[in-house]
Amino acid sequence: GIQVEQSPPDLILQEGANSTLRCNFSDSVNNLQWFHQNPWGQLINLFYIPSGTKQNGRLSATTVATERYSLLYMSSSQTTDSGVYFCAVELHNDMRFGAGTRLTVKP
Amino acid sequence: NAGVTQTPKFQVLKTGQSMTLQCAQDMNHNSMYWYRQDPGMGLRLIYYSASEGTTDKGEVPNGYNVSRLNKREFSLRLESAAPSQTSVYFCASRGQVSTGELFFGEGSRLTVL
Repeated sequence: GIQVEQSPPDLILQEGANSTLRCNFSDSVNNLQWFHQNPWGQLINLFYIPSGTKQNGRLSATTVATERYSLLYMSSSQTTDSGVYFCAVELHNDMRFGAGTRLTVKP
Repeated sequence: NAGVTQTPKFQVLKTGQSMTLQCAQDMNHNSMYWYRQDPGMGLRLIYYSASEGTTDKGEVPNGYNVSRLNKREFSLRLESAAPSQTSVYFCASRGQVSTGELFFGEGSRLTVL
């Protein structure tokens, strides 16, 4: 199956800081999504982004499919952004999740 | 909008007991999925149903069975629970298999003693 690596595994930020999370994958994919898992365990869709760039408020994401990576940018982080960020990639019904980046935003 | 609803939210079983996790979606989605999440790991696919009447194995299907009861409902059954099946289980759905956004339920925490 596809290998998915996320970096960094852990990230601690001061409120207001910016950050970039990375997702590398081992094969061509036809789907890629970013999720936020909040401290209560709920999985929230952030972006469906098999290629290109999208923005939503303080978040934006870029996927370069030919180079097999995706980046999630967060600006002006808030304490409510804390949680785990997952990248999930898919090829032919085989969707694989990375191990996630655990983000802690301190006030 | 309820989205994807899972029941129960919590369950404790003894080794060898059986149980069924229920999942229902109200978004008229064709495809439904069951994942498990273990500590420090991402989600792993157990089974999925591309459309009503079909089911397929995912990455970790051993010890589980599924039923796509109708377009709305997709259940996951543990026939003889084992401690290795202690996990958080997530149901998900989307419009079509292999394309589009995946939407998750809130999860079901299962402990097998």
